[in-house]
Amino acid sequence: SQQGEEDPQALSIQEGENATMNCSYKTSINNLQWYRQNSGRGLVHLILIRSNEREKHSGRLRVTLDTSKKSSSLLITASRAADTASYFCATDAGGGNKLTFGTGTQLKVEL
Amino acid sequence: KAGVTQTPRYLIKTRGQQVTLSCSPISGHRSVSWYQQTPGQGLQFLFEYFSETQRNKGNFPGRFSGRQFSNSRSEMNVSTLELGDSALYLCASSAMNRDSPLHFGNGTRLTVT
Repeated sequence: SQQGEEDPQALSIQEGENATMNCSYKTSINNLQWYRQNSGRGLVHLILIRSNEREKHSGRLRVTLDTSKKSSSLLITASRAADTASYFCATDAGGGNKLTFGTGTQLKVEL
Repeated sequence: KAGVTQTPRYLIKTRGQQVTLSCSPISGHRSVSWYQQTPGQGLQFLFEYFSETQRNKGNFPGRFSGRQFSNSRSEMNVSTLELGDSALYLCASSAMNRDSPLHFGNGTRLTVT
């Protein structure tokens, strides 16, 4: 069963705009990760935030984590058409590489 | 470094048959995990192998099994295939250092008819 729920399920924006997607989870975690998946391909790791961190940046990505609310958000700034993909959050509850993935957000960035 | 390689890319099987999928991890990675991705259930963890030993197992029936070889390559097998086994099967490898991310292959698309 999936632990994470992502919101929105789908998001369509114009190139240059910011995209924000949210993830909620149910149990205590060691870390939370975000992955991107282009249609029909494997997932690509984007960023990891540990449970004792509140915010992390990597290039155009900004991730926040609120463990009291069991939620995280991913912000992609200045979106590009190449950012069009599905984005998944995944939680590590201490079970090695047994990650629990969210339902995903489909992002479409239009020119 | 070469990425994670999964073969075959596509498979079509008939109900009741069995299938074996193969995964070659990134060189030096000793952990290999398998995930099933379907439109209805999303991404679900199948199992993880490390140094030829199963470390974790997801909630799948015994028809799903796997193994890892001494060179870290891994295979997963599904016996007595059901229509519901149609899915994208993803393999991922990891360096197993703290906070090491998963590196995924492009998957094997299995269709059961």
